Amino acid sequence: GEDVEQSLFLSVREGDSSVINCTYTDSSSTYLYWYKQEPGAGLQLLTYIFSNMDMKQDQRLTVLLNKKDKHLSLRIADTQTGDSAIYFCAESETNAGKSTFGDGTTLTVKP
Amino acid sequence: GAVVSQHPSWVICKSGTSVKIECRSLDFQATTMFWYRQFPKQSLMLMATSNEGSKATYEQGVEKDKFLINHASLTLSTLTVTSAHPEDSSFYICSASAWEGLNYGYTFGSGTRLTVV
Repeated sequence: GEDVEQSLFLSVREGDSSVINCTYTDSSSTYLYWYKQEPGAGLQLLTYIFSNMDMKQDQRLTVLLNKKDKHLSLRIADTQTGDSAIYFCAESETNAGKSTFGDGTTLTVKP
Repeated sequence: GAVVSQHPSWVICKSGTSVKIECRSLDFQATTMFWYRQFPKQSLMLMATSNEGSKATYEQGVEKDKFLINHASLTLSTLTVTSAHPEDSSFYICSASAWEGLNYGYTFGSGTRLTVV
């Protein structure tokens, strides 16, 4: 079945850039997402990218997609302490179907 | 924007009792609602897909008689944990797909922390 993998932890200093990586196995993945989860809360959609795109930028967030290698990354510029959270990569084949999530990357931002 | 309201945010119940969790789409129609379970420091595990007016589709290994899902309207889906036991203690999250302007994604409820004692 589908599999999505992420590194579990990332620690950066405030003001640095953070890069969170994700790989997936499903060639039929059409929609790829990045979510943020703060302690005890639900998931917040940060951004998404269609499989026919290479890059998407939204303020401090840059998503890069290498479809050939099935590799997705999320870059957070000028990382702030408020960015500390768990970041989930997810994929789905359709816009109304189920999503498969990675295990989440815990980002810790040190002052 | 697209909002899913999930209640309660937390609940403590005695072993053997049933607990109902509600998810409402506030400003859009959620034809499909997804129910997830999340263990501490783990990813989301899809339990079932709920379609308005029809029976839910459960993932392998999820007991449909224990986790009752009802999706009677386009704005409300419920998950009832029947005869709850301590091993059912978890964080339950619902989500629905929604477009908001030019942005697309799955909108998540804020989650329900269930503790069975």
